[in-house]
Amino acid sequence: SQTIHQWPATLVQPVGSPLSLECTVEGTSNPNLYWYRQAAGRGLQLLFYSVGIGQISSEVPQNLSASRPQDRQFILSSKKLLLSDSGFYLCAWSVPGRFETQYFGPGTRLLVL
Amino acid sequence: LAKTTQPISMDSYEGQEVNITCSHNNIATNDYITWYQQFPSQGPRFIIQGYKTKVTNEVASLFIPADRKSSTLSLPRVSLSDTAVYYCLVGPNQAGTALIFGKGTTLSVSS
Repeated sequence: SQTIHQWPATLVQPVGSPLSLECTVEGTSNPNLYWYRQAAGRGLQLLFYSVGIGQISSEVPQNLSASRPQDRQFILSSKKLLLSDSGFYLCAWSVPGRFETQYFGPGTRLLVL
Repeated sequence: LAKTTQPISMDSYEGQEVNITCSHNNIATNDYITWYQQFPSQGPRFIIQGYKTKVTNEVASLFIPADRKSSTLSLPRVSLSDTAVYYCLVGPNQAGTALIFGKGTTLSVSS
């Protein structure tokens, strides 16, 4: 069966510090991968998605970036965090060729102080 | 993406059947209807998906009328652990599909 991992589970970072969140998927090949952010009490906002290694599409311009160095690895990064980057970051995957059904990881709670 | 409307909250007791209805009047021909469940501080969990008529799995049933302008998620014999937020999503199978989670329906199950 497929599983999706995210780490760390919780992160507290000062403003201006760098960020690296990692997501890996097991049990499937060439998945579509997604990064979402959920602000407190609000819905999910799609940040990036990827249909293959090195292929990244950005949905919202901001100081975040994403990379996919391996087939089942998706990384969310920032060079300098802002207070507004605080939130619940979720990685998700979907079957190749299918985008309407996505499976989510456990999430990373990021607090920028 | 088609907009969805669902009740903000629902209350139930253990052992009862719960039906949550979602309206999606502007659903497109190639849109699927998907329901997710989310517990606090966890990622959404896929429950069920359908295109038309009725779909059933080990967790729930999904009823979709012929005009597809609404759908009903049915949870049989709920337990306390079913207390969560339930989201109805409508969207196509195309690259870059962003799952837009609205406010969902907060289901509270009591003993």
